[in-house]
Amino acid sequence: SQELEQSPQSLIVQEGKNLTINCTSSKTLYGLYWYKQKYGEGLIFLMMLQKGGEEKSHEKITAKLDEKKQQSSLHITASQPSHAGIYLCGADIGGGSNYKLTFGKGTLLTVNP
Amino acid sequence: NAGVMQNPRHLVRRRGQEARLRCSPMKGHSHVYWYRQLPEEGLKFMVYLQKENIIDESGMPKERFSAEFPKEGPSILRIQQVVRGDSAAYFCASSPPGGSYGYTFGSGTRLTVV
Repeated sequence: SQELEQSPQSLIVQEGKNLTINCTSSKTLYGLYWYKQKYGEGLIFLMMLQKGGEEKSHEKITAKLDEKKQQSSLHITASQPSHAGIYLCGADIGGGSNYKLTFGKGTLLTVNP
Repeated sequence: NAGVMQNPRHLVRRRGQEARLRCSPMKGHSHVYWYRQLPEEGLKFMVYLQKENIIDESGMPKERFSAEFPKEGPSILRIQQVVRGDSAAYFCASSPPGGSYGYTFGSGTRLTVV
């Protein structure tokens, strides 16, 4: 089974709508990263969360970490076509290796103008 | 300040050939990580290297795959005798001394085995 589950797998929204993507771990999280990937391109770092309850924002994107639930959510407010892409969560799970990240399969976001 | 540079961006190899993927870390970064993204799967850790040292290769297939990060020059991921199942996107990331927090990924090399 997948150690990091992302939901939904894909999402289509109308421009201007809000949306949330979830990332749930089956093990203890020691750091949670959110990345965005355009199809066929590399990963763009969005945010890193380390402490339970931590919340970070960048422009219209907010990420939260619920340590007890072993879950993180990524919320986009007033979505724009530029937000379209694949959102990946990655985490240092269980071992606290400080370098080895486990990734979810990604959430494909489409924003219709 | 150039980011993590990977080349080539696309690589086509026939079954049985060798594939060499290169990664130049960001300036000042001495730690390199390789990940593989197979179709319909998430990114999977392969190997973690520092200059002239392999720190963790627990994600590397036991055969045909090798990685190095020499004192001078880029890190190289080498796949010998490629098979169709090796077709994937291979991503390199780098970080400054002290650990991963601060990972920066390259744009990846897309390997297609025909």
